[in-house]
Amino acid sequence: GAVVSQHPSWVICKSGTSVKIECRSLDFQATTMFWYRQFPKQSLMLMATSNEGSKATYEQGVEKDKFLINHASLTLSTLTVTSAHPEDSSFYICSARDSFHEQYFGPGTRLTVT
Amino acid sequence: GQNIDQPTEMTATEGAIVQINCTYQTSGFNGLFWYQQHAGEAPTFLSYNVLDGLEEKGRFSSFLSRSKGYSYLLLKELQMKDSASYLCAVVDSNYQLIWGAGTKLIIKP
Repeated sequence: GAVVSQHPSWVICKSGTSVKIECRSLDFQATTMFWYRQFPKQSLMLMATSNEGSKATYEQGVEKDKFLINHASLTLSTLTVTSAHPEDSSFYICSARDSFHEQYFGPGTRLTVT
Repeated sequence: GQNIDQPTEMTATEGAIVQINCTYQTSGFNGLFWYQQHAGEAPTFLSYNVLDGLEEKGRFSSFLSRSKGYSYLLLKELQMKDSASYLCAVVDSNYQLIWGAGTKLIIKP
């Protein structure tokens, strides 16, 4: 089956620094990738939809200047959390959609900002 | 607006059967997914329904009625490892996933 990887699996950073999270579709091409965040005991919250070669579409309430998304190729999308603060600590999950419109999730990245 | 409803929490006994319901109102319909998510992990795919009827896959089955905007996930022979959240998600007319809030399933011995 289709595999999506994320790197890193977990990261701890200091407040004010930036963190980049990579999402890769390993065995298929994904024209669309999605970025979610999930707080403990809560459902997934869609942050943005990323289409290869174009600007990401952000959901209402998500700061595009803080959460930078780059979808430079059909197999790679990156999310950069800029000037991270403790309230940005969360579980970030990406998913990639294949040509049959099925979504496959990455394993997630746990971000802790101290 | 678009809306997905599923119970917040359910409790069942090991070895029993449990049915998790999902009702939806969305702009268009291009399929419905069920995902399982264990605490601290990403969701994993369980099933996909786009036509009415029952899809069986081992201990898990998923049912869809498009006319009623209704689906259920049926879990048989429950095991302790089935304790997780179960997420219902509908693909709308723009092929975007609309997520339910998830149902936390607690399995008791």
